[in-house]
Amino acid sequence: DIQLTQSPSFIYASVGDRVSISCRASQAISLHLNWYQQKPGRVPKLLIYAASTLQSGVPSRFTGSRSGTDFTLTITSLQPEDFATYYCQQGHSAPRTFGPGTKVDIK
Amino acid sequence: QVVLQESGPGLVRPSQTLSLTCSVSGGSMNEAGVYWTWIRQQPGKGLEWLGFFSWIGITHYNPSLESRLTISQGTSKTHFSLHLSSVTAADTALYLCARDRGIAHLGSTIHYFDSWGQGILVTVSS
Repeated sequence: DIQLTQSPSFIYASVGDRVSISCRASQAISLHLNWYQQKPGRVPKLLIYAASTLQSGVPSRFTGSRSGTDFTLTITSLQPEDFATYYCQQGHSAPRTFGPGTKVDIK
Repeated sequence: QVVLQESGPGLVRPSQTLSLTCSVSGGSMNEAGVYWTWIRQQPGKGLEWLGFFSWIGITHYNPSLESRLTISQGTSKTHFSLHLSSVTAADTALYLCARDRGIAHLGSTIHYFDSWGQGILVTVSS
């Protein structure tokens, strides 16, 4: 099974900050990595698929990148509505797996 | 726009079987490249993929739950179900159904969860 590790677990940031979240896969998954945002009491929302493709309707301040088995989600200028938990997820093979999540909280 | 909706009991006794249904509307369950999926989230925890069945009837389960879990399509082909046997308090969670959709992208088939139900909270307690 493919394991995903995320870092950091928590980010304390302010509005306007640039925030980066890392996700590392335990084996090669090419670009089969997706990012989701989840707010309390809400279901996850797809932000980015295929490592770097922005889902329709998602603001352009969200970007994704890949280097080998390392993936990064960057929020270029954090907005109040971006305080949430972010999960990476691999769609390369079954069983599908999620990273443990990164909570972005107000500093 | 496909819409998914979970239904079932909110309380299950320990050692019993948890049975949930996900109703699918606005889309075909026979669409190629789609895996109909169950995911859960224990209180305060992350997302745990439970399993899926595909448009051609293939199933795949989380190895940690495989001996207790069955996911299948309903006879009307407008819903699919989850059955988790011998539940314990550790199975208390928000259960979500989702559509795992495959699309052609840059020469590959990319899979992601593009539609989710609102979730149903299931508590295992006597």
